[in-house]
Amino acid sequence: DVVMTQSPLSLPVTLGQSASISCNSSQSLVYSDGNIYLNWFQQRPGQSPRRLLYKVSNRDSGVPDRFSGSGSGTDFTLKISRVESEDVGVYYCMQGIHWPWTFGQGTKVEIK
Amino acid sequence: EVQVMESGGDWVQPGGSLRLSCATSGFTFKNYAIHWVRQSPGKGLEYVSAISGNGGTTNYVDSVKGRFTISRDNPKNTLYLQMSSLRPEDSGVYYCRAVAETASLEFWGQGTLVTVSS
Repeated sequence: DVVMTQSPLSLPVTLGQSASISCNSSQSLVYSDGNIYLNWFQQRPGQSPRRLLYKVSNRDSGVPDRFSGSGSGTDFTLKISRVESEDVGVYYCMQGIHWPWTFGQGTKVEIK
Repeated sequence: EVQVMESGGDWVQPGGSLRLSCATSGFTFKNYAIHWVRQSPGKGLEYVSAISGNGGTTNYVDSVKGRFTISRDNPKNTLYLQMSSLRPEDSGVYYCRAVAETASLEFWGQGTLVTVSS
């Protein structure tokens, strides 16, 4: 199975500051159609996961533009600009190209 | 309004069976692949199974092959997961995730808890 490795696993952030989460995959996530099937999810406390970004950098409906994604091949980054209190939760990357699709371990974002 | 609602989770002894359901509304069900994702404290988020919009393609993680069966009833907008020979490591919250064929939209349910323990 493809292993998704996130860092850091815990990320204390000051309100209004930026935060970055890295995700590395053990295999390339570039599909034959040229797309890269890397998603980012947010899971707030007590809630179901929610997708924020798909195909590396496409924001889902309703996701603030403070969230952005970048990367290619096997290395990806989620950036949260101007962190707000509602951003507290666990963030996961997920690859959707090699079955079984796999998630990273999760990065817990908390406010300092 | 989109609704995705799982049901059927319960406590069951090892070796037992359960059938999970995922009832949906508010979107064109047949145009969405549906996935089961489980979450347990020891293993985080894990894909269990997936089925294409027309039901013609199914996938299972190796650990559940031969024990779980995913199916869908498109006229009823409902997805099922028949689970048998359950093991303690199958315990967790099972989420239903619907993903549009274009991948541009996706919806999650609130999850249903499965506990396998003697």
